[in-house]
Amino acid sequence: DGGITQSPKYLFRKEGQNVTLSCEQNLNHDAMYWYRQDPGQGLRLIYYSQIVNDFQKGDIAEGYSVSREKKESFPLTVTSAQKNPTAFYLCASKEGRGLGYGYTFGSGTRLTVV
Amino acid sequence: AQSVTQPDIHITVSEGASLELRCNYSYGATPYLFWYVQSPGQGLQLLLKYFSGDTLVQGIKGFEAEFKRSQSSFNLRKPSVHWSDAAEYFCAVGALDLTGNQFYFGTGTSLTVIP
Repeated sequence: DGGITQSPKYLFRKEGQNVTLSCEQNLNHDAMYWYRQDPGQGLRLIYYSQIVNDFQKGDIAEGYSVSREKKESFPLTVTSAQKNPTAFYLCASKEGRGLGYGYTFGSGTRLTVV
Repeated sequence: AQSVTQPDIHITVSEGASLELRCNYSYGATPYLFWYVQSPGQGLQLLLKYFSGDTLVQGIKGFEAEFKRSQSSFNLRKPSVHWSDAAEYFCAVGALDLTGNQFYFGTGTSLTVIP
């Protein structure tokens, strides 16, 4: 079955470390997204990519970086510049650019700073 | 600016009772509307969506939602709640703004089902 795979499910980061969260999809979707979820705040957009080798900042991009070298993959790096990285991170993809396409979500990665 | 409001942070219902989760949006035109459900520690799953046509849309797991333009609302309903419906529910709006197509999520409503 097609879907989005996020790994790892749980990730622990020491202060000052960069960590990379993996997101892979086999849906042949063009657009991919990274969201951060904190309790009571819903989902906030970090970065998105509409096409390979192109990506755009979302609402809370500071302290994060992404790449989109392949259509299937959209990894997110949480850098040491992100002062409060503990959160639940969700990757999503969308079949097309139109508003009518809903998102398909991965199962998330929970990142904790130790 | 576009926005989505879910007025109820948390709702508790008894199993077998009916359910209505509220969603209000702010957008100049008719938006694309979605409801998602999230089980603990999981991603979001699409329940249903509305673009146009019949204002009452049916979704998965026995859920339905009604679009009311006059009230800028898209409330989610279920006639009889099951214990497995306990989860977080998110309303979302797809809208066109100056930066292109964007999705806006509400802050979610947490549903507890008591036996």
